[in-house]
Amino acid sequence: EAGVAQSPRYKIIEKRQSVAFWCNPISGHATLYWYQQILGQGPKLLIQFQNNGVVDDSQLPKDRFSAERLKGVDSTLKIQPAKLEDSAVYLCASSLDDRTGGNGETQYFGPGTRLLVL
Amino acid sequence: EDQVTQSPEALRLQEGESSSLNCSYTVSGLRGLFWYRQDPGKGPEFLFTLYSAGEEKEKERLKATLTKKESFLHITAPKPEDSATYLCAVQGGSEKLVFGKGTKLTVNP
Repeated sequence: EAGVAQSPRYKIIEKRQSVAFWCNPISGHATLYWYQQILGQGPKLLIQFQNNGVVDDSQLPKDRFSAERLKGVDSTLKIQPAKLEDSAVYLCASSLDDRTGGNGETQYFGPGTRLLVL
Repeated sequence: EDQVTQSPEALRLQEGESSSLNCSYTVSGLRGLFWYRQDPGKGPEFLFTLYSAGEEKEKERLKATLTKKESFLHITAPKPEDSATYLCAVQGGSEKLVFGKGTKLTVNP
């Protein structure tokens, strides 16, 4: 089974420029997540989609970050304009959303996109 | 607010020297506690999910246990290839996955 795919793997931009990241989840997974992981920290959820609807975007800096998941499959995350503090790894994850008995869903992560803002 | 604290931040072991990593948590309505392994330059790799206190799961040299306040990841006779950062996360009533900062494990040959 193919895993979560992300591109690009690395990106270097200057502050105030824009950048976009792409994610293709595991086939059949209804839920897609974008996380930000700053060096030395655990991943922090930015936005969660179920199919093509937003479930949680409470930690997404909406003045500069946007995300969409058209057709309920792949997704893009955009930053415009970028700031120095946006330098981080952006991780995409997906889960099946086949909950049994209210248990939590296992999320499977992609390799991430490493962003450096100069 | 759900919180996860992992200790120690870093751990150095000799090959074959068993030890444990700790994950302390506070959560409203635990739906699951997750352990992931993360190698440098890669995304987190799923290891275990624990759903209720008293539950234990094993995989090769790793064993995860869960109480109402913490989880332990026991590593028995580690090998250099077990070197990685181990992340703990909880999912509560909000369904949001909250991660700790991780424990960086180094196993020397």
